[in-house]
Amino acid sequence: DTAVSQTPKYLVTQMGNDKSIKCEQNLGHDTMYWYKQDSKKFLKIMFSYNNKELIINETVPNRFSPKSPDKAHLNLHINSLELGDSAVYFCASSQDLGQGKETQYFGPGTRLLVL
Amino acid sequence: AQKVTQAQTEISVVEKEDVTLDCVYETRDTTYYLFWYKQPPSGELVFLIRRNSFDEQNEISGRYSWNFQKSTSSFNFTITASQVVDSAVYFCALSPLMNTGFQKLVFGTGTRLLVSP
Repeated sequence: DTAVSQTPKYLVTQMGNDKSIKCEQNLGHDTMYWYKQDSKKFLKIMFSYNNKELIINETVPNRFSPKSPDKAHLNLHINSLELGDSAVYFCASSQDLGQGKETQYFGPGTRLLVL
Repeated sequence: AQKVTQAQTEISVVEKEDVTLDCVYETRDTTYYLFWYKQPPSGELVFLIRRNSFDEQNEISGRYSWNFQKSTSSFNFTITASQVVDSAVYFCALSPLMNTGFQKLVFGTGTRLLVSP
């Protein structure tokens, strides 16, 4: 049973297109995250949602819009894709206790390639 | 500002050697958490350990051990008797306690470990 799942696993698309990545967790966690890993393997947080509410929004272009229909799902929609958006996008979740100590569990990643 | 430095970009060892991956962090917070994650060639991120800033006891889990030294702001990771399956990129991460109470992981740049037979 996959704890944090993402679809699709691979996404190849043309510049200018709009695409979505979906994330679901079955751990009963109430906080979910999106991270971006660039070609040099550097991992950086993009967004975080707690109980469907946005709590972290790092400096990310407006073309990226997260949506959380419920606390088990956090989707990422990207408009007008650019070459620089090519990366691996990881979803993660944690049970937030408001103490900063919770462990984040990551999904398998979505490898996005923009041509 | 929060920062994690993993100065070793890549380490190559031969199977059965011991290897230590260094992690140095910067934070002004008194309460924070430190993590290690493993990213094998298959690409997923696997949680290895979490340590809070008030617990400086070293931890051992099988062939893995961690040395947390607050005085030097370091949280080093040692693999004893390395195996080929240990080949991966290892990330150290810092989670400061944000004023909202929520967490944000700040990752180091990772150390690629290559273990050859």
